[in-house]
Amino acid sequence: DAKTTQPTSMDCAEGRAANLPCNHSTISGNEYVYWYRQIHSQGPQYIIHGLKNNETNEMASLIITEDRKSSTLILPHATLRDTAVYYCIVRARGADGLTFGKGTHLIIQP
Amino acid sequence: SAVISQKPSRDICQRGTSLTIQCQVDSQVTMMFWYRQQPGQSLTLIATANQGSEATYESGFVIDKFPISRPNLTFSTLTVSNMSPEDSSIYLCSVRFTGGTEAFFGQGTRLTVV
Repeated sequence: DAKTTQPTSMDCAEGRAANLPCNHSTISGNEYVYWYRQIHSQGPQYIIHGLKNNETNEMASLIITEDRKSSTLILPHATLRDTAVYYCIVRARGADGLTFGKGTHLIIQP
Repeated sequence: SAVISQKPSRDICQRGTSLTIQCQVDSQVTMMFWYRQQPGQSLTLIATANQGSEATYESGFVIDKFPISRPNLTFSTLTVSNMSPEDSSIYLCSVRFTGGTEAFFGQGTRLTVV
């Protein structure tokens, strides 16, 4: 799996959009970008994934650059419950387990 | 989605003993995985639990230390053998459905070895 680079931590005000960046410059053509988050003392939770087109679901939006070397996860209206560690993971579809990096600790401020 | 139950949710064990962690899923799944999360760290994949055959272990993990069973499509166990304080971690079960893209995780088992 390609390596990803994320900021260690970020703050965001409640109600604002939280934009979490991820660099994956060595991504291969068949690798998807996945985002998971881990709220304290819980197991990771799937958020969204994409290949090259932007994606949106009820939780978030995923913006992938045209060259696919970076992406941004957007939480449109962050709440205190969005405080968590967010992991950007690159893997081929159908591949087995996940390789977690250190992730970004997002802290939503009231 | 899947509902994943892990037992026990936490335990405190004496060094030199072994603990078996159970993972039960509410529906049949293709893939089951075990992860370890050491204190303050990210998750590390231990192995893929294969139904009816030996698990596939990642580099740095061996069957003698982490024996895994998977007798059917909804259940797996991970044993942490001959424990030492360095084994104190959260152990998480994860599953994925056939053709599915996302993985689902249990709440984890918090193990403390004293």
